[in-house]
Amino acid sequence: DTGVSQNPRHKITKRGQNVTFRCDPISEHNRLYWYRQTLGQGPEFLTYFQNEAQLEKSRLLSDRFSAERPKGSFSTLEIQRTEQGDSAMYLCASSLVSGTSTDTQYFGPGTRLTVL
Amino acid sequence: DAKTTQPTSMDCAEGRAANLPCNHSTISGNEYVYWYRQIHSQGPQYIIHGLKNNETNEMASLIITEDRKSSTLILPHATLRDTAVYYCIVRVWNSGGGADGLTFGKGTHLIIQP
Repeated sequence: DTGVSQNPRHKITKRGQNVTFRCDPISEHNRLYWYRQTLGQGPEFLTYFQNEAQLEKSRLLSDRFSAERPKGSFSTLEIQRTEQGDSAMYLCASSLVSGTSTDTQYFGPGTRLTVL
Repeated sequence: DAKTTQPTSMDCAEGRAANLPCNHSTISGNEYVYWYRQIHSQGPQYIIHGLKNNETNEMASLIITEDRKSSTLILPHATLRDTAVYYCIVRVWNSGGGADGLTFGKGTHLIIQP
């Protein structure tokens, strides 16, 4: 399967714990996006990378949220000191930006986080 | 990015064409129209996108009005597996590269009836 993969698919944690999610994009895709989706709402954009550079992070929900893409391939999203309001689906998408492409994003299956 | 308006929900009989409308009256010249769908508990799935010409692929057709203020996604022969939330999104793109992520609304919940 050459699609976007995310791990774990489900995560249950206690309030106050730190969690980290991983996203593996489609091979050779140079952009990687993170979104959050709460129940009944559409996905909400959080941040994105072009290769290893994080080009937008002002949409991250608080300073407890951080993301990395150290080698321009996989990415991690970390939430520190989790709160019950962080319970949501966290989605990753990747795209190929080139001279002729229009940045069509392909999404992974998501990681569902439950904070108890 | 321009705002979009979609009906909250729609029904369609299995085997018939499903026509999903979207209004984007404030769209600007360099904004593309994208359609995604999301089946329950899965990640969004890309369907199709276009700028001003009508587009067709193996999944659907996209009809954009001449003034670009609205569009319609057509699923030609709907099946039960097409039941999903369908999102219409407009997004700036230019040769210098688009910026930021997609802005999703609440979409249209399409229910295919047997």
